[in-house]
Amino acid sequence: AQSVTQLDSQVPVFEEAPVELRCNYSSSVSVYLFWYVQYPNQGLQLLLKYLSGSTLVESINGFEAEFNKSQTSFHLRKPSVHISDTAEYFCAVSEYNFNKFYFGSGTKLNVKP
Amino acid sequence: GAVVSQHPSRVICKSGTSVKIECRSLDFQATTMFWYRQFPKQSLMLMATSNEGSKATYEQGVEKDKFLINHASLTLSTLTVTSAHPEDSSFYICSKGGGGNTEAFFGQGTRLTVV
Repeated sequence: AQSVTQLDSQVPVFEEAPVELRCNYSSSVSVYLFWYVQYPNQGLQLLLKYLSGSTLVESINGFEAEFNKSQTSFHLRKPSVHISDTAEYFCAVSEYNFNKFYFGSGTKLNVKP
Repeated sequence: GAVVSQHPSRVICKSGTSVKIECRSLDFQATTMFWYRQFPKQSLMLMATSNEGSKATYEQGVEKDKFLINHASLTLSTLTVTSAHPEDSSFYICSKGGGGNTEAFFGQGTRLTVV
C-alpha cells in the first residue's frame, strides 16, 4: 500500500523568500512521484514529476523537487516565491500506469507581500 | 492538451436528497475515469474507478449503493451521492488517468455541502 504525508497544512511566506514544502511517502513497490498545484476554483494542475533518471526535477515556473530514495522524500522548493504562487500544493504517488494516485493532505502556500 | 470539466463546482443540498456530479472529457475519449474525495484537512482519497460500459470498481470502505457511478459514454462519467447526509459533505474530484508517459488530468472539483 502507498501513503503520502505532507506535514505542513499551511505555509505562510513573504514574497521573494525561499520556500520548502515537505513530502514523504511510503510504498511497497516502485512509484512515480508528483506535485500538483490547485489555484482557487480550478482543477489540479501538474507542477512536476519524477519518473526516473535525474533525481532533481524542475518546473517551468521555478519550482524544483528532489527525489530522495533513502529518506523516501520528494520535497518541493522554490528559491524566491511570488504572490501568484499562492495556491494549494499536493504531493502524490502513482504506480506505473499513472491511473490511481495517492495524495497527501495538501499544503496551502500563502505568499504575502 | 486533454481537459476534464467537472460540474457543478459547488452544491448545497438538503439531507436526504441526491446530488449528481458530472465529469466530462472535452477533447478526448476515456474508457476509464477516477473519482476522489477529500474531507477537511485530509488527503484526496480514491473512491472508485469508473469504467465505460461496465460497473465501477470501488475502493475498500466506499459504499457502492450510496455513491452511484455511471460511465455511459466515452466522454461523460457521473457520480450520484444518494440520500446525502452531512457527513457526505466533502470535496469530490474526477480525473482521467494517464498511461505510459501520458499525463493524468483532473477536474476542478465539486464542493458538496449537505445541510
